[in-house]
Amino acid sequence: GDSVTQMEGPVTLSEEAFLTINCTYTATGYPSLFWYVQYPGEGLQLLLKATKADDKGSNKGFEATYRKETTSFHLEKGSVQVSDSAVYFCALRPTHSGGSNYKLTFGKGTLLTVNP
Amino acid sequence: GAGVSQSPRYKVAKRGQDVALRCDPISGHVSLFWYQQALGQGPEFLTYFQNEAQLDKSGLPSDRFFAERPEGSVSTLKIQRTQQEDSAVYLCASSTGQGTDTQYFGPGTRLTVL
Repeated sequence: GDSVTQMEGPVTLSEEAFLTINCTYTATGYPSLFWYVQYPGEGLQLLLKATKADDKGSNKGFEATYRKETTSFHLEKGSVQVSDSAVYFCALRPTHSGGSNYKLTFGKGTLLTVNP
Repeated sequence: GAGVSQSPRYKVAKRGQDVALRCDPISGHVSLFWYQQALGQGPEFLTYFQNEAQLDKSGLPSDRFFAERPEGSVSTLKIQRTQQEDSAVYLCASSTGQGTDTQYFGPGTRLTVL
């Protein structure tokens, strides 16, 4: 079945450092890929998404590129801020017809802490 | 108006008790989802509604779990005879269309079974 594997945390960085959180997936066909963020005490929020190979999703300075050849969707940010401290989840949604193409499959999440 | 809301935010139950968790989706959203998030894990799909129809309940862990959405709006997830392994955060999400649109999540209900 479909699965998502993401970098184990926690990740601790200083403000303005470069961030990478690795994410790889296993799925049939060409799933849509997502990064969700969960701030303390809040629900999951969609951070960015990509729906086909070589698409780049971006939002709030974060970027991720859909790499079909490596089945990856790594999250990057050039300069993190204290306010980026949160748990980040990589997820996929199947897109093949006739299947459960509404069901999100998540990785385990990566806790990011950014210190001043 | 506001986003997806869930109540209660925290629930403590003794083993064997029944619990009911409520989800108020974004007004007008057709699709509604329930996910279970165990400690240190990502959310896992439980069930999916389109309006009042439960189209997929394949993720419900056992027949002690039951979900309903009788009027196509508010949904309730009921767990009968709770067990310790049911302790988790239960997340509700809604989306505008047939389920392939962006899912908007509520803050979750943290259930602790003692």
